Amino acid sequence: NAGVTQTPKFQVLKTGQSMTLQCAQDMNHEYMSWYRQDPGMGLRLIHYSVGAGITDQGEVPNGYNVSRSTTEDFPLRLLSAAPSQTSVYFCASSYSQGGPSYEQYFGPGTRLTVT
Amino acid sequence: RKEVEQDPGPFNVPEGATVAFNCTYSNSASQSFFWYRQDCRKEPKLLMSVYSSGNEDGRFTAQLNRASQYISLLIRDSKLSDSATYLCATHGSGNTGKLIFGQGTTLQVKP
Repeated sequence: NAGVTQTPKFQVLKTGQSMTLQCAQDMNHEYMSWYRQDPGMGLRLIHYSVGAGITDQGEVPNGYNVSRSTTEDFPLRLLSAAPSQTSVYFCASSYSQGGPSYEQYFGPGTRLTVT
Repeated sequence: RKEVEQDPGPFNVPEGATVAFNCTYSNSASQSFFWYRQDCRKEPKLLMSVYSSGNEDGRFTAQLNRASQYISLLIRDSKLSDSATYLCATHGSGNTGKLIFGQGTTLQVKP
């Protein structure tokens, strides 16, 4: 299994440009999430999904859209990039083991710079 | 108040020392708790899960105190390779799969 994969690894955008960060998992996990990580801020949840066709907002959703048309893929779209969106973006997936377990597995991250 | 809080440190300890981190959470409905390790500029990797009172894996012990709403991570016999940032996370009630993370605690183990 490849686990959770993310592309691209690095990206530089100009203010106002749009782009899509790709995330895919091959573990058949129900749950997927997008986080951003800024220095000293920990991981902040942007959007999450509990299954194909179902998404919801996290802590910092403004400026981002998501969709989940398949179990495997969970792309994150930046509608009009702003310098405040310069960050490291992590995608994660998890599954319920029939109890309270929701161990998340992370992709390698995308380092985004907006100039 | 943040939902999950950690002392960012850094904690500077000599090799062989025992070090403990605490993490407090505000959502009393939280069911699952996790410790992740993150090396510089890498993705977080799951270190330990805690569902009841505690968990132990070699030199690492995690404890849960529901009454005081905190989890702790104890590292015994610290190694240079333990230097990293340690993130705690909680999962609340309901089937959302989403975790809330603390800001992380940085550990530096010195020779």
